[in-house]
Amino acid sequence: EMQLAESGGGLVQPGGSLRLSCAASGFTFSSYAMTWVRQAPGKGLECVSLISGNDGSTYSADSVKGRFTISRDNSRDTLYLQMNSLKAEDTAIYYCAKLASGWPRDAFDIWGLGTMVTVSS
Amino acid sequence: EIVLTQSPATLSLSAGERATLSCRASQSVSNYLSWYQQKPGQAPRLLIYHASNRATGIPARFSGSGSGTDFILTISSLEPEDFAVYYCQQRSNWPLTFGGGTKVEIK
Repeated sequence: EMQLAESGGGLVQPGGSLRLSCAASGFTFSSYAMTWVRQAPGKGLECVSLISGNDGSTYSADSVKGRFTISRDNSRDTLYLQMNSLKAEDTAIYYCAKLASGWPRDAFDIWGLGTMVTVSS
Repeated sequence: EIVLTQSPATLSLSAGERATLSCRASQSVSNYLSWYQQKPGQAPRLLIYHASNRATGIPARFSGSGSGTDFILTISSLEPEDFAVYYCQQRSNWPLTFGGGTKVEIK
């Protein structure tokens, strides 16, 4: 069974940093594009960062560009999101999701349960 | 950035009724349109990809249609477990964007 498990969320002060991890199992991790999607409390979905499965190209939303970095370790079947200079508006549940192929514009077919990030003093 | 507008924001229906949800894109996304279902406290789940293809394990009562800028998600006969929030998503251009969601609630 394909599964994703996020970790690393928590409470952090404005300006602080966190690194989220997403452990994948049940599929050939290196073959698929992966993404981080966030959902602020009571709000909709925002795709913040994506990394392709073939050439490792990365994409970031303007709201996080220069502050968040997506990466992957295919030897560990793990996706990461390094979040720096955190702001209150980054408070959200962060989901990792698998794309249906290595192509960076495919559908998000498997989702993790999410990890909560709270930015507050 | 491509903006997706979903309507209505809330749909109040009874079990057994037909639900019709709309998603309109600010520019053509061809058929690079997906639909997701999210229940309270859960992660989203892929329902429809490429505008009209059901994802693995999705019941036949869910169907999608449209291309270009106008898309429809239809639930032919609502089951109790279908009351949830539904999001459309375009995959044509980065940033990949979601609509604001349609909540299907019990009337």
